[in-house]
Amino acid sequence: AQSVAQPEDQVNVAEGNPLTVKCTYSVSGNPYLFWYVQYPNRGLQFLLKYITGDNLVKGSYGFEAEFNKSQTSFHLKKPSALVSDSALYFCAVRDDFNFNKFYFGSGTKLNVKP
Amino acid sequence: DAGVIQSPRHEVTEMGQEVTLRCKPISGHDYLFWYRQTMMRGLELLIYFNNNVPIDDSGMPEDRFSAKMPNASFSTLKIQPSEPRDSAVYFCASDRAGGAYGYTFGSGTRLTVV
Repeated sequence: AQSVAQPEDQVNVAEGNPLTVKCTYSVSGNPYLFWYVQYPNRGLQFLLKYITGDNLVKGSYGFEAEFNKSQTSFHLKKPSALVSDSALYFCAVRDDFNFNKFYFGSGTKLNVKP
Repeated sequence: DAGVIQSPRHEVTEMGQEVTLRCKPISGHDYLFWYRQTMMRGLELLIYFNNNVPIDDSGMPEDRFSAKMPNASFSTLKIQPSEPRDSAVYFCASDRAGGAYGYTFGSGTRLTVV
């Protein structure tokens, strides 16, 4: 069965430092992977996706994600964190058969301190 | 496009009352999803539609919950009767067929049942 896991409930990082938010996945077929961000009192917003091609995917707001097939991971990264990046981040994977059904992780709260 | 539009943004109601949440998906999107978000349970898929037809309602918690999609531009989620444990943020999302684009979420309805 398809699933994603976000092993960290919370990540704390200082402004200007690099950040990583972890995600691992489990699928039967080819993975379609997504990252979303949720700011307080807002809906989830699409950040980036991996479908095929380069293992390093670039997205909105300077975020990127690295797809690693051998480790079944899709970690979200940013070279230099901003206080405004503080939010809740969700990883998601597409169902192997019902392509429009996604499985979301439990979310990771990112705290960027000045 | 104005995105996925949900109404109302906030709803406070008394236990036992009927509550109706509304959603207008993005024009041209074939799929519509209803999610519920709470601190305890995270993001839960309640039901989703394809071309106005309910495909999977296994996440609907009880018979008190019902959802309809009478046409391609409108969906409702109804709770009757409401209970305090239904208090949550309810999100609507829509998507194009294929699952390669990622969902677009609405801003959510914050429901408080007192």
